[in-house]
Amino acid sequence: NAGVTQTPKFRVLKTGQSMTLLCAQDMNHEYMYWYRQDPGMGLRLIHYSVGEGTTAKGEVPDGYNVSRLKKQNFLLGLESAAPSQTSVYFCASSPTGVRGTSGFGQGTRLTVV
Amino acid sequence: AQKITQTQPGMFVQEKEAVTLDCTYDTSDPSYGLFWYKQPSSGEMIFLIYQGSYDQQNATEGRYSLNFQKARKSANLVISASQLGDSAMYFCAMRGVNQAGTALIFGKGTTLSVSS
Repeated sequence: NAGVTQTPKFRVLKTGQSMTLLCAQDMNHEYMYWYRQDPGMGLRLIHYSVGEGTTAKGEVPDGYNVSRLKKQNFLLGLESAAPSQTSVYFCASSPTGVRGTSGFGQGTRLTVV
Repeated sequence: AQKITQTQPGMFVQEKEAVTLDCTYDTSDPSYGLFWYKQPSSGEMIFLIYQGSYDQQNATEGRYSLNFQKARKSANLVISASQLGDSAMYFCAMRGVNQAGTALIFGKGTTLSVSS
């Protein structure tokens, strides 16, 4: 039982390049989320999904796209990376309801130069 | 709008002492959950403790307890008998029934430093 797995763990991009971050969970959770963490800002929600085939915008969605073609996977895409997207990205999943405890991936440290 | 406020950017404590990390929240949801996570320097998010809005008793998990005062909208984390390994960033978070996908909303965090 791996929980939530993110790939890659580290990446350096040049401005304008694209990339996809992959999140996989094996807990059969309905809900999945992508957050970014910046110094002094806590974690902020980028996009989320409440089930296979559904996605929605969170607090800071600009410059990102997501897809959830399979229940266990949630992909975060950067089409044209900008230095402002330098951050640590976390994927999380949770069962339905407010009592469910979220599992988090290990994080991806992305630097855009 | 839902919001989590952590007013202590940094806290310092000596080994074996107790420490309280403050958290206040704002929500209009009738049902919500409050969480604390620990983030050590290695970066992973570690779940510590959960308190439901309808729970009558304060949650406890080993050396961690959550001082839940619903009327004051506070959910402070108490760590008893601090250890060097408790040095980390601590985040208070909330999940509400009407929030976007019941996503966790986080405070900005408190850095705890434990000295010997």
